[in-house]
Amino acid sequence: LAKTTQPISMDSYEGQEVNITCSHNNIATNDYITWYQQFPSQGPRFIIQGYKTKVTNEVASLFIPADRKSSTLSLPRVSLSDTAVYYCLVGDIDTGFQKLVFGTGTRLLVSP
Amino acid sequence: GAVVSQHPSWVICKSGTSVKIECRSLDFQATTMFWYRQFPKQSLMLMATSNEGSKATYEQGVEKDKFLINHASLTLSTLTVTSAHPEDSSFYICSARESRLAGGPKFVDTQYFGPGTRLTVL
Repeated sequence: LAKTTQPISMDSYEGQEVNITCSHNNIATNDYITWYQQFPSQGPRFIIQGYKTKVTNEVASLFIPADRKSSTLSLPRVSLSDTAVYYCLVGDIDTGFQKLVFGTGTRLLVSP
Repeated sequence: GAVVSQHPSWVICKSGTSVKIECRSLDFQATTMFWYRQFPKQSLMLMATSNEGSKATYEQGVEKDKFLINHASLTLSTLTVTSAHPEDSSFYICSARESRLAGGPKFVDTQYFGPGTRLTVL
């Protein structure tokens, strides 16, 4: 079973900031949080990964509260091309490899 | 970022034939690769974990004799769908695990995915 829960879908408009929250109540001490973006008929694309607090890269920011039971992917000023499915996953790197179990993901629709 | 390629990107075959799909990590070595299957409008389903130099580990419900996996080198894993049937038609995606140091002794473990292979069995 997937270890995460996300909203099934979200709608936004171009230029807005989009925040997608993911719940992972049973996250383990060694688990990292990783977000992927997937367009139709393409493999998932790595967006961002974090363990705690805040991580930012050129694409997005990831906010993780102190209890790590949830995380929020923040996409600044979305465009039409950000319409995609976004997956939040947790995985334990200390067991030797990170076996990822995908949930349903969040289908983001960005409109003009 | 790390790049993973797949070949072919799409394939159409007749029922009963076998199809081989290649997954390559282009700029890093991957001791572990994963194979997923995705049906339309659904999420990715993990099929198997491929470890370099050893037998693959299959998820429950995945037939190992039908989906043959070989991971002969640190940059290449192959998935062969044997005696394909129309119900095997799907989008097959591989991923490769990259482990790298992230300050001090701690490793960061990230999976990078290939572009996928669309298999259609007639």
